[in-house]
Amino acid sequence: GAVVSQHPSWVICKSGTSVKIECRSLDFQATTMFWYRQFPKQSLMLMATSNEGSKATYEQGVEKDKFLINHASLTLSTLTVTSAHPEDSSFYICSAKEGAREKLFFGSGTQLSVL
Amino acid sequence: DAKTTQPPSMDCAEGRAANLPCNHSTISGNEYVYWYRQIHSQGPQYIIHGLKNNETNEMASLIITEDRKSSTLILPHATLRDTAVYYCIVRLYSGGGADGLTFGKGTHLIIQP
Repeated sequence: GAVVSQHPSWVICKSGTSVKIECRSLDFQATTMFWYRQFPKQSLMLMATSNEGSKATYEQGVEKDKFLINHASLTLSTLTVTSAHPEDSSFYICSAKEGAREKLFFGSGTQLSVL
Repeated sequence: DAKTTQPPSMDCAEGRAANLPCNHSTISGNEYVYWYRQIHSQGPQYIIHGLKNNETNEMASLIITEDRKSSTLILPHATLRDTAVYYCIVRLYSGGGADGLTFGKGTHLIIQP
């Protein structure tokens, strides 16, 4: 099956710094990628949708200037959490969609801890 | 997308069949039923999906009632590694469109040794 690689698996950073998370589709071209956030004991919440070569679409309540998304190629999307604060500590998960296929493939997630 | 209702948790003995129910009484004719699962601290994993016919793959079987208002995911021989949160999701077939999945709270399935 299709593989989505997400890096890093976990990161600890100081408050006020920026953190970049990468999401790569390894064996297919992902026309669309999605970014989710998951707090402990809660379900996944969709943050934004990114389409290759265009601006990301953010869900209501998600600050686009804080969560910068870049989808510069068909195999790579990045999420940058800018000026991170402790309340941004969460599990971030990306998923990718291959063309018209209806299955979404998920990365293994990134646990972000902001001190 | 239609709303789904799942029990918050279920137990199943190892080696037995695990039957996970899902109610989706407001499903529309062109909405599919998807099942994903999330093992602790990992990303969700696709299991199976269907429209109105029953489906089976190497992981599970999906039984959809004739009126499509409910479905059951069946793991035929549950193992300890099947312990996870199972999400039933109903969504439109989007073809080349770009719609993310909307996750509910799911069912926490615990396989007992």
